[in-house]
Amino acid sequence: QQQVKQSPQSLIVQKGGISIINCAYENTAFDYFPWYQQFPGKGPALLIAIRPDVSEKKEGRFTISFNKSAKQFSLHIMDSQPGDSATYFCAATRTDKLIFGTGTRLQVFP
Amino acid sequence: NAGVMQNPRHLVRRRGQEARLRCSPMKGHSHVYWYRQLPEEGLKFMVYLQKENIIDESGMPKERFSAEFPKEGPSILRIQQVVRGDSAAYFCASSRQVGDGYTFGSGTRLTVV
Repeated sequence: QQQVKQSPQSLIVQKGGISIINCAYENTAFDYFPWYQQFPGKGPALLIAIRPDVSEKKEGRFTISFNKSAKQFSLHIMDSQPGDSATYFCAATRTDKLIFGTGTRLQVFP
Repeated sequence: NAGVMQNPRHLVRRRGQEARLRCSPMKGHSHVYWYRQLPEEGLKFMVYLQKENIIDESGMPKERFSAEFPKEGPSILRIQQVVRGDSAAYFCASSRQVGDGYTFGSGTRLTVV
């Protein structure tokens, strides 16, 4: 009930392509779904987040799509750049601790 | 406005020694969370604290690990009698309110030799 399942584990995308990372959850009480970006040797940084009252949120090249009925949400990175190469974590919470997915290592090649 | 400050950045301890990891939350944040990250793995929740209170310690190992967030000063994660399996990156995060996004520190990388 507390798990957040993330896929794929790793992703290789060419520069300019679209990167898509998917997450699924079980606990219908979750009401906040952030995505974090982590570079090697650094702490995770909040990238974008969504609440279940909307189906999509876009910030620059980053978009979250949210499907409440399927209990799934995804991160889309448009026009992927080599600087986007990092590990991405989805997470979910309701009023207490964040539960993180297992992470996706994204590599964007020029 | 400084972010979440963790120190030390790197800590080396011999088996059996104690490790103390410190975390100062962002100004105005009263909720502190500790997570552990093993190499090539995700972030595992350890403990959630507010000032002077442990709210949720369901992710803490039952022995050797403890955490506090005193009225004055940083939050401390304490690991007694460290073993090689404790080697990991320990991240602290803070938030202004429950349910808000967290701001993470840069972590403390503990190596037990």
